[in-house]
Amino acid sequence: DQQVKQNSPSLSVQEGRISILNCDYTNSMFDYFLWYKKYPAEGPTFLISISSIKDKNEDGRFTVFLNKSAKHLSLHIVPSQPGDSAVYFCAASAAVIGTSGTYKYIFGTGTRLKVLA
Amino acid sequence: GAGVSQSPSNKVTEKGKDVELRCDPISGHTALYWYRQSLGQGLEFLIYFQGNSAPDKSGLPSDRFSAERTGGSVSTLTIQRTQQEDSAVYLCASSLTGGSRYEQYFGPGTRLTVT
Repeated sequence: DQQVKQNSPSLSVQEGRISILNCDYTNSMFDYFLWYKKYPAEGPTFLISISSIKDKNEDGRFTVFLNKSAKHLSLHIVPSQPGDSAVYFCAASAAVIGTSGTYKYIFGTGTRLKVLA
Repeated sequence: GAGVSQSPSNKVTEKGKDVELRCDPISGHTALYWYRQSLGQGLEFLIYFQGNSAPDKSGLPSDRFSAERTGGSVSTLTIQRTQQEDSAVYLCASSLTGGSRYEQYFGPGTRLTVT
């Protein structure tokens, strides 16, 4: 049961245009959402996050939108740059039932973004 | 600055052998996570440590997998009697604490190949 889904395995965008990466989830108990970027042969690096009580968070060229009713979030990168070419993972966290202060992180399968110069 | 380090970076082993993977988290980070990424798959959660205890081991795929953490720092993931389906990149991450809003810092991973 894939609780966090990234249905587009890849995306190509022209340099300077907007990149939109999408993520859908099924568990309404998720309380925090994060985006990570991964270059080949490196571990993922944190990019931006959003609490479930918000619908938008912006950091420079990166904006994350959360639509709780649709259980959907998206990452917008504008303007896209060739250095943004990487695999982007969406992740969601929820408290582990029956524990105190323990959170489980569920990652999507990733979307490979290619920004064309 | 010192990030999360993992060793070895690559490990090739024969089916049936045991392997140990090591993770050195960022100093002061109390939470430590192990994930694995198989070819074409997302990051699969394996186990979570808060200090030296593991409140969530639900992701360990079988009893051949075990992990420990000592001194609230270094962690080792042990896979006994390796199988070909264990081939994957094993990633370790640490965070300041286990709260949901604390982002995780990942190591570069150990690529395990079981022949």
